[in-house]
Amino acid sequence: SFVLTQPPSVSAAPGTTATITCGADNFGIKTVHWYREKPGQAPVLVIHSDIERPSGIPERFSGFKSGNTATLTITGVEAGDEADYYCQVWDGSSGGVFGGGTKLTVL
Amino acid sequence: QVQLVETGGGLVKPGGSLRLSCAASGFSFSGHYMSWIRQAPGKGLEWLSYIGSGTDYTSYADSVKGRFTISRDNAQNSLYLQMNSLRADDTAVYFCARHKRGYGSYWFDRWGQGTLVTVSS
Repeated sequence: SFVLTQPPSVSAAPGTTATITCGADNFGIKTVHWYREKPGQAPVLVIHSDIERPSGIPERFSGFKSGNTATLTITGVEAGDEADYYCQVWDGSSGGVFGGGTKLTVL
Repeated sequence: QVQLVETGGGLVKPGGSLRLSCAASGFSFSGHYMSWIRQAPGKGLEWLSYIGSGTDYTSYADSVKGRFTISRDNAQNSLYLQMNSLRADDTAVYFCARHKRGYGSYWFDRWGQGTLVTVSS
């Protein structure tokens, strides 16, 4: 089965840049999508198709993929960005596949 | 606006059954694939199953294959998950989510708030 690997935690001070990675053995043609989940709330899509930002998501959120690593970058980190972030791909045999999630702590 | 509301969660004994529902509004439900996704307490997201825009195609994660059945009623704008032979490790918040498609992939652009299922004796 397809596996996505995320660091369990990342921290960043307000105003700085947070980078969350998502690794795979071989993404191939799979595109990566990112979700933010705050406690007690439903997940929210923040990036789809590696780099596309849905309407309503601030420009501070950006995505990139190179080789076997996808990256979610949050510039100008704010206290309200503190949340769990998940990457996801769609695999033809496994269906939806999520990474284990990364807890972003704003210092 | 787009709204997904899950209901049907609760406490059930191991080996029991439960049927979850997801009421959709604010969009053309029949035009979208839909999925069920769950999150065990303190754990990450786990995709469980999806159904095509009609009722013709379904797919399941290995963890629920043969025990869970996804279905939909487009006339009622509703999605369902029939869960049988429930186990303690099925305890989780269950979300329904709307699919979007592009570049040969699917992602989930709208989620419900979730419904809690607790499997315990």
